[in-house]
Amino acid sequence: DAGVIQSPRHEVTEMGQEVTLRCKPISGHDYLFWYRQTMMRGLELLIYFNNNVPIDDSGMPEDRFSAKMPNASFSTLKIQPSEPRDSAVYFCASTVRTDTQYFGPGTRLTVL
Amino acid sequence: GDSVTQMEGPVTLSEEAFLTINCTYTATGYPSLFWYVQYPGEGLQLLLKATKADDKGSNKGFEATYRKETTSFHLEKGSVQVSDSAVYFCALSETGNSGGSNYKLTFGKGTLLTVNP
Repeated sequence: DAGVIQSPRHEVTEMGQEVTLRCKPISGHDYLFWYRQTMMRGLELLIYFNNNVPIDDSGMPEDRFSAKMPNASFSTLKIQPSEPRDSAVYFCASTVRTDTQYFGPGTRLTVL
Repeated sequence: GDSVTQMEGPVTLSEEAFLTINCTYTATGYPSLFWYVQYPGEGLQLLLKATKADDKGSNKGFEATYRKETTSFHLEKGSVQVSDSAVYFCALSETGNSGGSNYKLTFGKGTLLTVNP
């Protein structure tokens, strides 16, 4: 079975541009998590969904960030407009009602 | 709130050396405890877990014991290999409002391990 799939793997964009990161969770998993990883702040939970419904978005840094999960097999994290301080590796993870989360390979975002 | 504190790295060892990475936690309720590993350029992978006090998690030669009395979950390996070079994260599962898990994890900041041949 395929693991969590994220695209793109690398994204380089200019300040002010819109960025969309994509995630396909493992089939059958009903929880999906978005994380951001930086050297300074470590691994931060941004938002998580249960059955496609956002449960906790308290980690979303500001209104420039938004996340959606239109169906059980797809989620997006959007940054508009992007800023250099958004440069980080963004991970998606999923699970099915267990504490063990399965992580995707991440998207490395660079905002110039 | 819940938190995880793990030893700061980087940790540099020679092959076949003994490894300990310390992890302590504060939590309400009775969390499960985890060690995740992140190899260069990859996402995090579960290394081992323990769900209750005195449980020992083990995998690939790594071990950690859930110590409720000291609120610790230290990672150990008797003989490290070059292929163990990675970042190691200690984590705990949070307790939700109903008292059960809400499936959120709180991570420590990670410890970079480098093993030299």
